[in-house]
Amino acid sequence: DQQVKQNSPSLSVQEGRISILNCDYTNSMFDYFLWYKKYPAEGPTFLISISSIKDKNEDGRFTVFLNKSAKHLSLHIVPSQPGDSAVYFCAASPKNYGGSQGNLIFGKGTKLSVKP
Amino acid sequence: DTEVTQTPKHLVMGMTNKKSLKCEQHMGHRAMYWYKQKAKKPPELMFVYSYEKLSINESVPSRFSPECPNSSLLNLHLHALQPEDSALYLCASSHVGSGSRYGYTFGSGTRLTVV
Repeated sequence: DQQVKQNSPSLSVQEGRISILNCDYTNSMFDYFLWYKKYPAEGPTFLISISSIKDKNEDGRFTVFLNKSAKHLSLHIVPSQPGDSAVYFCAASPKNYGGSQGNLIFGKGTKLSVKP
Repeated sequence: DTEVTQTPKHLVMGMTNKKSLKCEQHMGHRAMYWYKQKAKKPPELMFVYSYEKLSINESVPSRFSPECPNSSLLNLHLHALQPEDSALYLCASSHVGSGSRYGYTFGSGTRLTVV
């Protein structure tokens, strides 16, 4: 069963408007949530993260919102640019105990297309 | 240097071949990872090395054998693979303990085809 879900396989947005990418999770023991961006033939690139004790984190045009009661997070991109067209993955990191390095669990991704 | 370099970028191998995937980083990261990604699927963790020691093996078949010869290098040795092992193999690295907050740095991957 998927612990991190991105239910929209694709999203199309006009340049200059807001892009909202959504992610749901099932495990309350996640410590951090992260967003990655992936272009074809490249590895995922880290965008932004949020701690499970926060509800918002902002970095330039990117803002991530976390709603713990709904087990939902979203990535807002404002304003959207054609160069933002890529696949966006939501990922979650379980709490680590004993100092061990943990795992990132990825959603299936949402393909964002920003049209000029 | 803020990159993770993976070689080769593409690899075609027969089911009886032995090959190796290589990964290198010079960011001082002491955690390194192998992920496997099939088409239209999310990346799935295979192995984690922390301070050059294997810390996580996600029940990966023994035909995949990881090796971390030093803090900058990570190898994945392949032997007797099956066609269903064809996928994009991604290497990543991070600082130990803070990878969740600051993200992993991924390489561009090796596209493996088993024939």
